[in-house]
Amino acid sequence: GNSVTQMEGPVTLSEEAFLTINCTYTATGYPSLFWYVQYPGEGLQLLLKATKADDKGSNKGFEATYRKETTSFHLEKGSVQVSDSAVYFCALTSNFGNEKLTFGTGTRLTIIP
Amino acid sequence: GAVVSQHPSWVICKSGTSVKIECRSLDFQATTMFWYRQFPKQSLMLMATSNEGSKATYEQGVEKDKFLINHASLTLSTLTVTSAHPEDSSFYICSAKGWDTRDTQYFGPGTRLTVL
Repeated sequence: GNSVTQMEGPVTLSEEAFLTINCTYTATGYPSLFWYVQYPGEGLQLLLKATKADDKGSNKGFEATYRKETTSFHLEKGSVQVSDSAVYFCALTSNFGNEKLTFGTGTRLTIIP
Repeated sequence: GAVVSQHPSWVICKSGTSVKIECRSLDFQATTMFWYRQFPKQSLMLMATSNEGSKATYEQGVEKDKFLINHASLTLSTLTVTSAHPEDSSFYICSAKGWDTRDTQYFGPGTRLTVL
């Protein structure tokens, strides 16, 4: 079956530091890959997505590249801000018209000024 | 953007009672709603998928008679935990998608259920 493994948190960084949150997956076929973010007290929001190999998703300064050869979708940001403090979830859906999202465990990120 | 609300945000109940959780799409019509469960420090696990006007499709291992899902309108789905027990204590999250959301699921803020 499908599964997503992401780095365990919590992750604490100083403002303007470089961020990487690792995500690897196991799936049959050609899944679509997602990063969701959950800010304190709010619902999950789609941050970015990629639907095929070598696609790069980007939003709000965050980027992730769909790497089929390494089955990875690592999240990166060059300079984090305090407002980026949140829980980040990596997720996938299969390519068989299946809407089901399979999530990683989430990584809590805290940015200190 | 599309907004999904959940009510209540938290609930405490006695063992053996039933609890109803509402999920509403506030500014779009939700043709499909999903219910997830999240244990502390664990993934969101899909419990069931419901399409408006149809019976919900439950994931393997989820008791449909215990977790009753109703999606009677394009803006409301309810999850009823029947005869709740302490092991049902968890964080329940819904999401919704519709014709206008371009296949993206929009999530509610979740409901914390504690069964004493």
